[in-house]
Amino acid sequence: RKEVEQDPGPFNVPEGATVAFNCTYSNSASQSFFWYRQDCRKEPKLLMSVYSSGNEDGRFTAQLNRASQYISLLIRDSKLSDSATYLCAVTRFGNEKLTFGTGTRLTIIP
Amino acid sequence: DTAVSQTPKYLVTQMGNDKSIKCEQNLGHDTMYWYKQDSKKFLKIMFSYNNKELIINETVPNRFSPKSPDKAHLNLHINSLELGDSAVYFCASSQMRDQPQHFGDGTRLSIL
Repeated sequence: RKEVEQDPGPFNVPEGATVAFNCTYSNSASQSFFWYRQDCRKEPKLLMSVYSSGNEDGRFTAQLNRASQYISLLIRDSKLSDSATYLCAVTRFGNEKLTFGTGTRLTIIP
Repeated sequence: DTAVSQTPKYLVTQMGNDKSIKCEQNLGHDTMYWYKQDSKKFLKIMFSYNNKELIINETVPNRFSPKSPDKAHLNLHINSLELGDSAVYFCASSQMRDQPQHFGDGTRLSIL
C-alpha cells in the first residue's frame, strides 16, 4: 500500500459548485499534513496546513480524521482559477521527509 | 523577491554529460530539499539538508551528488546523465524539518 494515496481524478466540476476530495495515509505515526496546489508546468505551492481541529481559509476547508487516517479538502463556490492539481503531503513524527500523494486533478468548467 | 530560485530553468543536454543545478533561498530557512517529478507527475524527495548537513538521502543513484556550501544554497550535480534522468527537478526549503515547504519554480531537464 502506498504511504499516501489520492484519487487522481480528473474531477470536472461546474463553476460555483462545491467539490471535496480526500487523501489517505497509511502510517499512523504521521504528524504533519498539508495541501499543495500545482498548476500545469509550475511548482507546487502551499495551499494550507491541516490542523487536528480542522481549518478554513476563505472558500477552502481542510480536515483531518486520525481515526480513519485521511485528510480532506473542501472547495466551496469553485472558480475557474481553482483548476489545478491538488497534492496532499504528509510527514511522520521524527522524520523530516515530506511524502506526497500523486495528486488529484481538478478542472472547473464554465 | 524570489524566495527559492533555481538555475537553470531549462536544461537540454546529451546522454553521458555532467551537469549542475543551483538553488538558493532567501527565506532564512534551515532546511533545503531536492525533489524529482517524473513524467507521471509523481513528486519524490531525493535529498534534504539541514544547516549544511545531509539528513535525507533517498535511494538515488550515486551519480547524483548534492552540495550545500551554506544553509541558503543547495546545489545538485549529476554525472553521466541517462535518459531516465529526464524530469523536472524542484528545490524547496522550510524553516524547520516538518514545516511547510516552499518550492522553486523547477528545472526541466531533458536528455537527448
